[in-house]
Amino acid sequence: NAGVTQTPKFQVLKTGQSMTLQCAQDMNHNSMYWYRQDPGMGLRLIYYSASEGTTDKGEVPNGYNVSRLNKREFSLRLESAAPSQTSVYFCASSEGVGQYNEQFFGPGTRLTVL
Amino acid sequence: AQSVAQPEDQVNVAEGNPLTVKCTYSVSGNPYLFWYVQYPNRGLQFLLKYITGDNLVKGSYGFEAEFNKSQTSFHLKKPSALVSDSALYFCAVRDKASNYQLIWGAGTKLIIKP
Repeated sequence: NAGVTQTPKFQVLKTGQSMTLQCAQDMNHNSMYWYRQDPGMGLRLIYYSASEGTTDKGEVPNGYNVSRLNKREFSLRLESAAPSQTSVYFCASSEGVGQYNEQFFGPGTRLTVL
Repeated sequence: AQSVAQPEDQVNVAEGNPLTVKCTYSVSGNPYLFWYVQYPNRGLQFLLKYITGDNLVKGSYGFEAEFNKSQTSFHLKKPSALVSDSALYFCAVRDKASNYQLIWGAGTKLIIKP
């Protein structure tokens, strides 16, 4: 039982390049999330998927797109990377989006955009 | 607007002493409160949550938290600190007005000195 896995662990991009961050969970959770973590700012929600087939914007969606490929997988795409997107990205999952459900996090992807 | 404040960027405690990491919140409805811990270069791990009921909540690794509605606080506590407790701690809140999405504090770095 691996929990939430993310690939890659590290990535360096040049401005304007594109990439996709992959996330998968094996806990049969309905809901999945993408966050970015910047120093001194806590976590900010980029996009989330309440259930398979749905996606919604979070606090900071600009410059990103997501795909809920199936119940297990939720990918985050940067179409044209910018230095402001340098951050650590975390994927998380939970049984649902309700108020009782804690989220389980992956190990993160450290992205640097030059 | 919903918000979470962790007033201390860093807390230093000697091993064996009690520790407290502070969290205050502002929400429009009933709060659902969470604490997470992040060890270096790792994802976040769930520690404990308050949904309703007893104001003292017990969680993982000997941590507990006290919900105080009148002071809108949810401080994390441990009676006797261990060096291995050194990590980054995040408080988060959700309520109906935020569509039950987690609103995160900026984090508090806890350093336990031998």
